[in-house]
Formats: sequence, structure tokens, C-alpha cells
Amino acid sequence: IHLTQSPSSLSASVGDRVTITCRASQGISNYLAWYQQKPGKAPDLLIYLASTLQSGVPSRFSGSGSGSDFTLTISSLQPEDFATYYCQQLNVYPPTFGGGTKVDIK
Amino acid sequence: QVQLQQWGAGLLKSSETLSLTCAVSGGSFSDYYWSWIRQPPGKGLEWIGDINDRGSTNYNPSLRSRVTISVDTSKKQFSLNLNSLTAADTAVYYCVRRPGCSSGSCAFDYWGRGTLVSVSS
Repeated sequence: IHLTQSPSSLSASVGDRVTITCRASQGISNYLAWYQQKPGKAPDLLIYLASTLQSGVPSRFSGSGSGSDFTLTISSLQPEDFATYYCQQLNVYPPTFGGGTKVDIK
Repeated sequence: QVQLQQWGAGLLKSSETLSLTCAVSGGSFSDYYWSWIRQPPGKGLEWIGDINDRGSTNYNPSLRSRVTISVDTSKKQFSLNLNSLTAADTAVYYCVRRPGCSSGSCAFDYWGRGTLVSVSS
């Protein structure tokens, strides 16, 4: 299953609302997760099963969607949120990842 | 706190075999899938394969012919072997935990720090 993220990159300011989309090449129910990765670090799980916030993740992150269209929203961008974000599906093996969305400072 | 500590050779030559091992501490070893995921420099993430505590494996079809993942439940360790290396296998390799989908998050929730494996010709 191919996952297409958009945009591939974006520039935003602290306090902005940011939305990243992930489209699957076929329906994946709600078996979608979102990760944040900072340079030189392993990815961190933000959201699983499309909309469930991982323990310890700030509530400004939220996820929505089902089927083939999904969204990650950051309600008010903070300095520590500048990073690359990946979506990932596990409805069907093999697990696959989107190409990533790099969020940088405007 | 769950921790995944990984180790293995970081500089290899074409045609050699990559061997990495990951030790799990601070949590249960059962009821999880233990994965290897890689990331070429500056690129995205690719799932390599996984294994459970009973030794059942799944592999990415793109790598299946070259990959072996094994487990030692007595030591709470799992290992990756990837043979016939080429420069295209140069990447950071991560060991990762994933709960089952029927009762867990069905996502990769704990990651090792990663090992950069460079393959030279």
C-alpha cells in the first residue's frame, strides 16, 4: 500500500495551525500512525489508530480520518515541533511509510 | 521504562553480511512484534521485517531473499542478518517494538537509537 503525504515540506511560524495529509492507495480502515522525527534521532510515535494520542504527546497534536484519507493537525505550532513527520499504515503487510513532511521555520 | 539497545558492525563492504542485535529491557518480551526498520541518509523509512516471541517472522518482499531475523527469548534479544550487501543498503538501521493490532496500538512505539551501516565497494 502506497502512502502519499502532502505537502512534502512547509514553512510555518510559531503559533500557526498546521495540517498534513496522508492518502493511502487503498482503504486501510483506521490502521494509520503518525511519527515525528528530528535530525539524528529515531522517530517518535505521536498518534496511532488514526486518532489516538500516544501517552505523553501534547494535546496540540491530533489525528483524524478513516479509509484512505487522513490528517495530522498541530493546533498551535511550538518551536520544538519543527521536524519531519511521517504517516505509516499497518492494515496490510508490509507496513509502509509516507514520504515525509518537513516542517521548518518561516 | 522500555529500552532497546542495539549493536553491530557499522562499516562493511559489498557482498558482506550485515549483523545487528537488539536487546530489550524494562518490559515484557511477549505479545509484541520486534521489527527492523531502516532509513538511508536523507531519505524515508523502510520496514525490513519482524518477529514475535514464538519465532514467527514476516519480511518485506523487496528484501526477503536476503534477510533473516531471529530471536533469543531467554536473553530478550532479536537479531537481523542481511546478506549480499550493496551501497544501496547504506542506512541507519533501527530496532523497534510494535504491540499487536488486536489489543494494542498496532504502531511502532519504542525505537532503538539506530546504527549507521555504511557499505563500501
